[in-house]
Amino acid sequence: AQSVAQPEDQVNVAEGNPLTVKCTYSVSGNPYLFWYVQYPNRGLQFLLKYITGDNLVKGSYGFEAEFNKSQTSFHLKKPSALVSDSALYFCAVRVPTGANNLFFGTGTRLTVIP
Amino acid sequence: NAGVMQNPRHLVRRRGQEARLRCSPMKGHSHVYWYRQLPEEGLKFMVYLQKENIIDESGMPKERFSAEFPKEGPSILRIQQVVRGDSAAYFCASSPLSRTANTGELFFGEGSRLTVL
Repeated sequence: AQSVAQPEDQVNVAEGNPLTVKCTYSVSGNPYLFWYVQYPNRGLQFLLKYITGDNLVKGSYGFEAEFNKSQTSFHLKKPSALVSDSALYFCAVRVPTGANNLFFGTGTRLTVIP
Repeated sequence: NAGVMQNPRHLVRRRGQEARLRCSPMKGHSHVYWYRQLPEEGLKFMVYLQKENIIDESGMPKERFSAEFPKEGPSILRIQQVVRGDSAAYFCASSPLSRTANTGELFFGEGSRLTVL
C-alpha cells in the first residue's frame, strides 16, 4: 500500500530565506508525486508534479521539488520565501497503474516571518 | 472553463439530520473523488466514482455515508443521521477520462464545510 510522510507539522522561515518542506513516500512501483498548497478556507491548488524524466521539477509561484528515488523523497523547495507563501502544503502520491486517487500526507504548515 | 463546483460551501446540521453535499466536476472530466479533511488533519480519501459507477469506496465509513454520480447532474455525498464527529471539510476533486488527457493531478473544489451542532 502506498503512503506519504511529511515529518514536520510546522516549518518557520524568515522572508527571503530558502525554504524546504519535506516529503517521503512508500509505494511499490514508480510513483507519481505531487505537491498541493491550501490557503485558509480554500481548496487545494496544484503546485507541481513528478511523473517521469528530470528529477528536478519546477512548478507554480517559483516552487520546485526534487525526486530522489534512493531516498524515496520529494522535498519541496523555494530559493527565497515570501510572506504570501504562508499556507498548508500537502505532498501526495499515486501509483500509475492503480486507482486514480491520490494519497496525501498530513500536511506541513509553512509560516514565513516578515 | 469553470472549475470544480461544490455546494453548499457551508452547511450546518443538528445531530440526526441528513447532509447532502454536491459536486459538479470540471467540464470534460468524468472522474470524481471525495476527500474529508478533519480539523488540523490531512485529507483522507473517501470514494472514487465515474458516471453511474463507484470505482473505489475503500475510504467510506460503512454506515450512514453514501455517494453517487448519476448520468445527469452532480455527484452527491450523503451523510445520514449526522453526528458531531462528521464535522469536517469535504472536498471534491475531478480528473479527465482519457489516459492521454489524464496527467495525474486532481483538480479540487473549494470544499463544503459541515458543522454538526
